[in-house]
Amino acid sequence: RKEVEQDPGPFNVPEGATVAFNCTYSNSASQSFFWYRQDCRKEPKLLMSVYSSGNEDGRFTAQLNRASQYISLLIRDSKLSDSATYLCVVMRADSWGKLQFGAGTQVVVTP
Amino acid sequence: NAGVTQTPKFQVLKTGQSMTLQCAQDMNHNSMYWYRQDPGMGLRLIYYSASEGTTDKGEVPNGYNVSRLNKREFSLRLESAAPSQTSVYFCASRKPEQGLYGYTFGSGTRLTVV
Repeated sequence: RKEVEQDPGPFNVPEGATVAFNCTYSNSASQSFFWYRQDCRKEPKLLMSVYSSGNEDGRFTAQLNRASQYISLLIRDSKLSDSATYLCVVMRADSWGKLQFGAGTQVVVTP
Repeated sequence: NAGVTQTPKFQVLKTGQSMTLQCAQDMNHNSMYWYRQDPGMGLRLIYYSASEGTTDKGEVPNGYNVSRLNKREFSLRLESAAPSQTSVYFCASRKPEQGLYGYTFGSGTRLTVV
C-alpha cells in the first residue's frame, strides 16, 4: 500500500466553480502535511501547509483529519491558471526532511 | 539568486552507460535530496544528505550512488544505466530550521535510457 494515496483525476472543472479532492496517508506518525502544485512535469512548488484546525490561503482551503488520516484541498472560484497537478505531501517527525509524495490529482479548469 | 541548479536538463543514455547528474545550491542549505518521478507515481526519494559529509539511502537507492562534494553540491551517479532508470530527477535542498518552507526544488533532469 502506498503511504500517500490520491485520486489521480482528472477533475474537469468549469471556470468559476468549486472543486475539492482528498488524499489519504497510512503512517500515523506523519507530522506535517502540505499541498504542492506541479505544472507539466516542472518542479513541484509549495502551495500551502495543512493545519489541524484547517486553513485558507485566498481561494484555497486545506483541511486535515488526523483521526481518519486524510487531507483535503478545496479550490473556490476556479481560474484557468489553477489547471495543474496537486501533490499531497507528508513528512514524518524526525525524518530529516524526507517527504512522502502522493502521485497527484490532476485538475483541468475549462472556460 | 539561482536557488537549486541541476545539469543537464535532458539526457539520453544507452543501456550500460554511466553518467553523473549535477546539483548545486547557493542558499547555504544544510540538507540536500535526490528524488525521481515516474508517471502515475509520486516523487520517490533516492538518496539524501542531511549535512555536508553525510549521505543516506532513501526509498529507491539501488543503481545509484551519490557524493556530497561540499555544502553546495550533491551529485547523483548512475554507474550502469538501465531502462528502468528512465525518469525525471529532481534535486532539492532545505534549511532545516525553516521547516518545509525552506525546501527548494531544482527544475529537474529528464533522463531517457534506451
